[in-house]
Amino acid sequence: NAGVTQTPKFQVLKTGQSMTLQCAQDMNHNSMYWYRQDPGMGLRLIYYSASEGTTDKGEVPNGYNVSRLNKREFSLRLESAAPSQTSVYFCASSEMGARQGTQYFGPGTRLTVL
Amino acid sequence: DAKTTQPPSMDCAEGRAANLPCNHSTISGNEYVYWYRQIHSQGPQYIIHGLKNNETNEMASLIITEDRKSSTLILPHATLRDTAVYYCIVTVGTDKLIFGTGTRLQVFP
Repeated sequence: NAGVTQTPKFQVLKTGQSMTLQCAQDMNHNSMYWYRQDPGMGLRLIYYSASEGTTDKGEVPNGYNVSRLNKREFSLRLESAAPSQTSVYFCASSEMGARQGTQYFGPGTRLTVL
Repeated sequence: DAKTTQPPSMDCAEGRAANLPCNHSTISGNEYVYWYRQIHSQGPQYIIHGLKNNETNEMASLIITEDRKSSTLILPHATLRDTAVYYCIVTVGTDKLIFGTGTRLQVFP
């Protein structure tokens, strides 16, 4: 099992450019999440999807959109990138129910917006 | 979800037990205590969780006080590879994990 995979690993954008970060999991988990981590900070939740076909805003959703393409895949889109979105982005997945607090994380995408 | 308080940093000698404290004095009856760690810039890794009883797995032990207002994560024989930031999170197990700034554990030879 690969667990949670993310592409790309690194990306540099110019202000105003758009891009999509891809995430996939092979653990048959229902719930998936996108977080961002700024230097010296903990992770902050951007969006999550409790199950296929549903998405909800997290703590810092502004400037982002998400798509739960199917049970395996959850993508994060930056429509018009800004320097404030320079960060490391982590995708995670979990089962439903009492074990939702047990999340499995991908390796991250390091994004720089110039 | 209840707020947690952790020391910003701790040191531990290799081979000794590392005891990482967490205060969660406002925890409610249905909230679990979760521990994660983040090694360098990797994605966080789940360690252990508990509700009221002490828990042990292959990675660590979790000791929760009887009043549930604090807990301690114990790494019984710390190695250099345990150097990481450790996060204590209190949640009902719903979708939102709130990560604070955690405790930076430095294991030294």
